[in-house]
Amino acid sequence: QKEVEQDPGPLSVPEGAIVSLNCTYSNSAFQYFMWYRQYSRKGPELLMYTYSSGNKEDGRFTAQVDKSSKYISLFIRDSQPSDSATYLCAMSAYNTNAGKSTFGDGTTLTVKP
Amino acid sequence: NAGVTQTPKFQVLKTGQSMTLQCAQDMNHEYMSWYRQDPGMGLRLIHYSVGAGITDQGEVPNGYNVSRSTTEDFPLRLLSAAPSQTSVYFCASSRTGNQPQHFGDGTRLSIL
Repeated sequence: QKEVEQDPGPLSVPEGAIVSLNCTYSNSAFQYFMWYRQYSRKGPELLMYTYSSGNKEDGRFTAQVDKSSKYISLFIRDSQPSDSATYLCAMSAYNTNAGKSTFGDGTTLTVKP
Repeated sequence: NAGVTQTPKFQVLKTGQSMTLQCAQDMNHEYMSWYRQDPGMGLRLIHYSVGAGITDQGEVPNGYNVSRSTTEDFPLRLLSAAPSQTSVYFCASSRTGNQPQHFGDGTRLSIL
């Protein structure tokens, strides 16, 4: 069983929809949680970065972490065609060595005009 | 702002050939990593480095070597290319072990 499981998708939604992307994990040592966005033929770019449980909002994006359930989510409000990309969740433990982030397999999102 | 620069962007090799994938960052980050990305398998860590002169193996290190002689550069060497190494390779860097990583745009490698 993988340490990080991500809803596989793909997802296709109409413009303006609310999108929910989700990951579950098994390692209780994970303290840092990240969401990356990856456009086709590009490298992942950081979208959201949170520490421990709680919510973080940045514009149309909200990241939620529920450590008791080992579950994280990314919500996109008023989705736009430019949000069409693959979204990767990632996690790391406190004092981890760099590169020890564990990634989900990604969810591909298409927002249709 | 160059960030993380990977060269080449594309490469085709024959089985058994060797090559070096280059990675350079200009952010003075101590931590650097190499990943491969295959369809349906996400990002898998090959090797990583926590500073100049220090490297360690990740999840899938076989067939690859790395070295870190400077803070800026972290090349990945394929010793004897195999078709199973056909993939997209990403280099990443971060300031500390827990900070998010900055990724390059990848090297797309095909081995025939």
